[in-house]
Amino acid sequence: DQQVKQNSPSLSVQEGRISILNCDYTNSMFDYFLWYKKYPAEGPTFLISISSIKDKNEDGRFTVFLNKSAKHLSLHIVPSQPGDSAVYFCAASARAAGNKLTFGGGTRVLVKP
Amino acid sequence: DAGVIQSPRHEVTEMGQEVTLRCKPISGHDYLFWYRQTMMRGLELLIYFNNNVPIDDSGMPEDRFSAKMPNASFSTLKIQPSEPRDSAVYFCASSYRFHEQFFGPGTRLTVL
Repeated sequence: DQQVKQNSPSLSVQEGRISILNCDYTNSMFDYFLWYKKYPAEGPTFLISISSIKDKNEDGRFTVFLNKSAKHLSLHIVPSQPGDSAVYFCAASARAAGNKLTFGGGTRVLVKP
Repeated sequence: DAGVIQSPRHEVTEMGQEVTLRCKPISGHDYLFWYRQTMMRGLELLIYFNNNVPIDDSGMPEDRFSAKMPNASFSTLKIQPSEPRDSAVYFCASSYRFHEQFFGPGTRLTVL
């Protein structure tokens, strides 16, 4: 049973526009959420995170939004750049479960010049 | 800093053989994680260590899998005997804060 789901396997966006990636979770114990970016033949790279006590966290072009009641988080990339083309994973953890990360299946983003 | 180093980058072996994957974490990091990525199951945590001590190995699929961390700068993941269904990309990651993990480039394992 997938506790963290990314329902869109892929996303294509024009350079300069906004990319919106979505992630849903089922475990209400999750209290910390992260986004990782992965290029081919490389390991995932940490991008941005958010604690359950917040509903928004911003870092440059990247903003993560958390809607606890809907058990939904999203990552906004504005403006999108060709170098953002990668696979993006959301991950969640629960302090009660030892803070282990549970990853979603990933969304492949293609930013067209 | 060289980042997390994994070796080998690619491994092809035959069913029944022993496979050893190696990881050197980032200096100063006190957590080390082993993950496996497959098409079917995505990225899943196998085991993690804190200060060289295994904390949670509930993700290790079978007794054929074992992991050690003899010191702060080295860890191994061993599969003995290997099976075709073990074919995957294995990642090692380390962190000094539990959540922000730094991943290595991975080892692509193919078991024929």
